[in-house]
Amino acid sequence: GAVVSQHPSWVICKSGTSVKIECRSLDFQATTMFWYRQFPKQSLMLMATSNEGSKATYEQGVEKDKFLINHASLTLSTLTVTSAHPEDSSFYICSANRETSGILYNEQFFGPGTRLTVL
Amino acid sequence: SQKIEQNSEALNIQEGKTATLTCNYTNYSPAYLQWYRQDPGRGPVFLLLIRENEKEKRKERLKVTFDTTLKQSLFHITASQPADSATYLCALPTSGGYQKVTFGTGTKLQVIP
Repeated sequence: GAVVSQHPSWVICKSGTSVKIECRSLDFQATTMFWYRQFPKQSLMLMATSNEGSKATYEQGVEKDKFLINHASLTLSTLTVTSAHPEDSSFYICSANRETSGILYNEQFFGPGTRLTVL
Repeated sequence: SQKIEQNSEALNIQEGKTATLTCNYTNYSPAYLQWYRQDPGRGPVFLLLIRENEKEKRKERLKVTFDTTLKQSLFHITASQPADSATYLCALPTSGGYQKVTFGTGTKLQVIP
């Protein structure tokens, strides 16, 4: 149990275009999901917290107008990179905390990640 | 602000030996600490969580210790195998958000056959 999927697994796009990445919790509901970015040989950096039914909370230094997050259901969060530029090329990973019978577990379950390359 | 440090250099050990990875933190008193494994090009996988009132936790060949006085956690893999080769990340809850975590830089472990 506790599987998180991401789609697409990789994407190549031209500079100036927008890219949408989906994150789904397959066998559990997630009121909260997290979006991370990871550059080569670096650790995961939290970008934002996605809250079902409300606005996302962005970390300091992350442009909310550039990285649009929508958490429309308890199993789906999307991250849209708008007007992507080469410096946005990175590995984007989502995660979710499993919640069962009102208990919110601390461990995060991660998606497989999406490799974004902006030409 | 809170700071998390892990051995930045790769750790190479011989198969069958015990690997010990370190996670140090400052300016913080976390309620728990987590360890994750990350393989290249993949998302992290949760391994263990240890709470502040626990000194040690085990899961199969894994053992985690948590010393809140030293502000340090040690992660041990006994009888290491080449399949254990990966990057291991420690993570602590971010102040202000119980479910948010901050990750350490990670330590790359290479188990040599």
